[in-house]
Amino acid sequence: AQTVTQSQPEMSVQEAETVTLSCTYDTSENNYYLFWYKQPPSRQMILVIRQEAYKQQNATENRFSVNFQKAAKSFSLKISDSQLGDTAMYFCAFMKTAGTASKLTFGTGTRLQVTL
Amino acid sequence: GAVVSQHPSWVICKSGTSVKIECRSLDFQATTMFWYRQFPKQSLMLMATSNEGSKATYEQGVEKDKFLINHASLTLSTLTVTSAHPEDSSFYICSAPQGGGRYEQYFGPGTRLTVT
Repeated sequence: AQTVTQSQPEMSVQEAETVTLSCTYDTSENNYYLFWYKQPPSRQMILVIRQEAYKQQNATENRFSVNFQKAAKSFSLKISDSQLGDTAMYFCAFMKTAGTASKLTFGTGTRLQVTL
Repeated sequence: GAVVSQHPSWVICKSGTSVKIECRSLDFQATTMFWYRQFPKQSLMLMATSNEGSKATYEQGVEKDKFLINHASLTLSTLTVTSAHPEDSSFYICSAPQGGGRYEQYFGPGTRLTVT
């Protein structure tokens, strides 16, 4: 079974600053996907970024980037130029790729507060 | 991106009654859908995998006779909470993978259930 650990229950960052959210996971799988999802106060889950395990290059989406360390089983999210709208719960998630889409295993989440 | 809807968005029911929650994929077909439960300030917990044309697969500890899942068509899955109790009050979220080798899952906006 897979486990996903987010060790930071809460984080705070000032607007325009950079913040990094941590995530580690445990799996015996070699092929998998990792995700960061954002859940704002509306509670709608929004995909922030996705990383395929077979890709060495770290994924980037505008102000969001990841530091994927496969050997260390670490998958951190960096948010640059933080904006007030980034305030949300952030969940790290794991999905093994067994030929078809599979279920997600979520971490416990990190609550991020962006302040003025 | 693909859209998943849920209905109702909020429901209040009395103890002992049953309530049905619908999850629809609006612009794609989903042979698989997932149902999650989320308590306040906690992560998403997978309850079951809904499979079109076959029985749902429940996660360990989830009562299948209490949480009835029916995948009626390629665009609709329903979750029925039977004989509801106050402890069933929670936020229920569904998701659906778009398939075709694309591992991104699309989430519904969630349903808040309150049992009085």
